[in-house]
Amino acid sequence: EVQLVESGGGLVQPGGSLRLSCAASGFTFSSYWMHWVRQAPGKGLVWVSRINSDGSSTSYADSVKGRFTISRDNAKNTLYLQMNSLRAEDTAVYYCAKDTTMIAGPSYFDYWGQGTLVTVSS
Amino acid sequence: DIVMTQSPDSLAVSLGERATINCKSSQSVLYSSNNKNYLAWYQQKPGQPPKLLIYWASTRESGVPDRFSGSGSGTDFTLTISSLQAEDVAVYYCQQYYSTLGVTFGGGTKVEIK
Repeated sequence: EVQLVESGGGLVQPGGSLRLSCAASGFTFSSYWMHWVRQAPGKGLVWVSRINSDGSSTSYADSVKGRFTISRDNAKNTLYLQMNSLRAEDTAVYYCAKDTTMIAGPSYFDYWGQGTLVTVSS
Repeated sequence: DIVMTQSPDSLAVSLGERATINCKSSQSVLYSSNNKNYLAWYQQKPGQPPKLLIYWASTRESGVPDRFSGSGSGTDFTLTISSLQAEDVAVYYCQQYYSTLGVTFGGGTKVEIK
């Protein structure tokens, strides 16, 4: 059974940093592209970042470019999102999602984690 | 960036009736080399993560009831729930995955029971 479990969310002051983790199991993690998607309270889904299967290629939404860094440790089956210079507008539930593509992507997402809440407030 | 626009923002449908949700992309998501539309639909119930319903614009994910169907091509797409059930109350999102830079979602359509 595929499982994605996010952790690392919490309350942080504006300008602060946080690192999210997503522990994956039930599939060959090292073969698939992975994504972070966020959802502000009461709002829609917004794609944040993606990383290819071996970590050699990444992409970011303009709103987080230069502040967030996506990475992965295929030996630990874990996806990360390092978030720096956090702003109030980064407040959201952050989901990790598994892409269906292994080579050329991105593609659609077949599994999502339950999400972790990040609140940026003083 | 490819902008995805959904309509309506919300709709109320009687149980057993048809629900239709529209999604328009700012540029074509039809890849000519394989004739596939890079468009997916997701369902999100309150307090839950999104769930994949449809991909390649019209292919139903395994386990998804056949009352859900997707159609359209190029820039205009539709998700249809042929006979609304109580458990279909949710927000529905379209997503394009045509752009290699990143995916984008529509703003969502909330479906309620009339």
